[in-house]
Amino acid sequence: RKEVEQDPGPFNVPEGATVAFNCTYSNSASQSFFWYRQDCRKEPKLLMSVYSSGNEDGRFTAQLNRASQYISLLIRDSKLSDSATYLCVVNSVDSNSGYALNFGKGTSLLVTP
Amino acid sequence: NAGVTQTPKFRILKIGQSMTLQCTQDMNHNYMYWYRQDPGMGLKLIYYSVGAGITDKGEVPNGYNVSRSTTEDFPLRLELAAPSQTSVYFCASSYSSASGDDEQFFGPGTRLTVL
Repeated sequence: RKEVEQDPGPFNVPEGATVAFNCTYSNSASQSFFWYRQDCRKEPKLLMSVYSSGNEDGRFTAQLNRASQYISLLIRDSKLSDSATYLCVVNSVDSNSGYALNFGKGTSLLVTP
Repeated sequence: NAGVTQTPKFRILKIGQSMTLQCTQDMNHNYMYWYRQDPGMGLKLIYYSVGAGITDKGEVPNGYNVSRSTTEDFPLRLELAAPSQTSVYFCASSYSSASGDDEQFFGPGTRLTVL
């Protein structure tokens, strides 16, 4: 089982739509969770951390379900500029490196006019 | 602050050649990392460093070497390049990450093709 699994998409949605991405992780000992955004041919950038109580940043809402080992990202009122790949990132304790950040393959979003 | 910078941006190597990918950060971060990203795949950790003089292997270290003589610089060396090393290489840094919960700042990447 892969460490972090995401639906690769692509998700094609019209401007103004609400879209949700899901992510599952395999290591129950994982402690920290993130969503990164990666534009085409660019580097990943942190979008938001994900907290147990859930958190919101403007149009973006992230939620964590530890029991189901599931993370979600909700984007409301989609903008053209939201078009990107969204990476689910989970840390876990690794016997070699002490900890490791495990990156999902990403979910591609295309927002159309 | 320039953040994390990487050179070169692009490079084509022949099989068996060697090269060094440069990475510099000006944020005084303790932790630095090298990842590779293959098309349609997640980032894989190659090597990381928790401070000057200290490096450790990540998930996919074979065929690579690193050094960390200063806080700012973390070069990645490829010896005897192989087609399997064709990838996009990202360097990243974070202030501290004993538990892996600090934001990582990424450089713009180096696109390497080995023919």
